[in-house]
Amino acid sequence: KQEVTQIPAALSVPEGENLVLNCSFTDSAIYNLQWFRQDPGKGLTSLLLIQSSQREQTSGRLNASLDKSSGRSTLYIAASQPGDSATYLCAVRVKAAGNKLTFGGGTRVLVKP
Amino acid sequence: DAGVIQSPRHEVTEMGQEVTLRCKPISGHDYLFWYRQTMMRGLELLIYFNNNVPIDDSGMPEDRFSAKMPNASFSTLKIQPSEPRDSAVYFCASSKGTLSYEQYFGPGTRLTVT
Repeated sequence: KQEVTQIPAALSVPEGENLVLNCSFTDSAIYNLQWFRQDPGKGLTSLLLIQSSQREQTSGRLNASLDKSSGRSTLYIAASQPGDSATYLCAVRVKAAGNKLTFGGGTRVLVKP
Repeated sequence: DAGVIQSPRHEVTEMGQEVTLRCKPISGHDYLFWYRQTMMRGLELLIYFNNNVPIDDSGMPEDRFSAKMPNASFSTLKIQPSEPRDSAVYFCASSKGTLSYEQYFGPGTRLTVT
């Protein structure tokens, strides 16, 4: 059974510092991995989708890397801003599980002005 | 595009009552998912549909939960009878046909059962 872990569960950084968020998964036979952002009391917003054949994906200040063999993905957010404060979740789509996403527990980020 | 639409946004009900949550997926998406989010268990997939047909309902907690998708633009998740432990945020999500596409989430329904 696929397990997805995000460590740390919470992170606090000063504005301007780069953010590094980690995601690890136990089953490397994945189709893709998706990073989401969730603001308090809101739904999930898709940030980046990395296919299993890709090593990284970029969107603006966001960059996500994928190392399938070691079961890891990292989300980098450059030059963090207070507006980046949110919970970030990663989710994997496993080949053996069809179109199901398995989510990590999330990392709650606070960017201090 | 309006995105995934869910209603109601908040629901407060008493134990034993029937609860119906509603979802309208993004037009053109043929996969629809129902998730539940709690502090204890995080985000869990309950059931998902492809072309209005349930594909995997292994996450549905028990027979009190049922989901339907009568057409491509509407789905319901029903809990009957509701219990306090069903209190959670329920999300609906949709995606296009293949596994390469992102899932897009609705704003969720916060359910409180007293």
